[in-house]
Amino acid sequence: DAKTTQPTSMDCAEGRAANLPCNHSTISGNEYVYWYRQIHSQGPQYIIHGLKNNETNEMASLIITEDRKSSTLILPHATLRDTAVYYCIVMNYGGSQGNLIFGKGTKLSVKP
Amino acid sequence: SAVISQKPSRDICQRGTSLTIQCQVDSQVTMMFWYRQQPGQSLTLIATANQGSEATYESGFVIDKFPISRPNLTFSTLTVSNMSPEDSSIYLCSVLDRGMPDYNEQFFGPGTRLTVL
Repeated sequence: DAKTTQPTSMDCAEGRAANLPCNHSTISGNEYVYWYRQIHSQGPQYIIHGLKNNETNEMASLIITEDRKSSTLILPHATLRDTAVYYCIVMNYGGSQGNLIFGKGTKLSVKP
Repeated sequence: SAVISQKPSRDICQRGTSLTIQCQVDSQVTMMFWYRQQPGQSLTLIATANQGSEATYESGFVIDKFPISRPNLTFSTLTVSNMSPEDSSIYLCSVLDRGMPDYNEQFFGPGTRLTVL
């Protein structure tokens, strides 16, 4: 079973920040938080990952709470092309096992 | 980053028949995975296919139904055998590769959309 809980769906206005929450209250000390997204009719795409510090890359920012029991993915300026299902996944660093366990994810709809 | 292609991209098959899905990667990778995504659902791991060893199947998936080959470090096949309408899904291949320094990223293929009548 997935170790994360996410809202089923969210709406966001184009150009605004999209904040996607994720609860992972049972995360262990050696597990990272990963975010993937799946645009319709495509395979999942890696977005970002982090352990305990906040992370930022060209796609998004990841904010992890101090107790690591929850996190938020931030798309700073959402576009229509960001409409997708976003998956929050916890797993060991590097995914040496590789078996990403996907929950149901959050369906983000960016509206003009 | 690894680039993955799958063949066929989609197919419509009759029940009782079998379909073999091919996954080709543009670089050598050790770990390859096959996932299933049923309509409206999330992804479920079918098996892990490492070159030089037998595939490891997840609970609920068996080799007789989903035989996998991994003849080299850039190629794998998944066969869906004796198909029924319940096998209608998107089947995705993925690989573990170095996406960034000190991090192994998992890359996914575009998927094969299978419809069984």
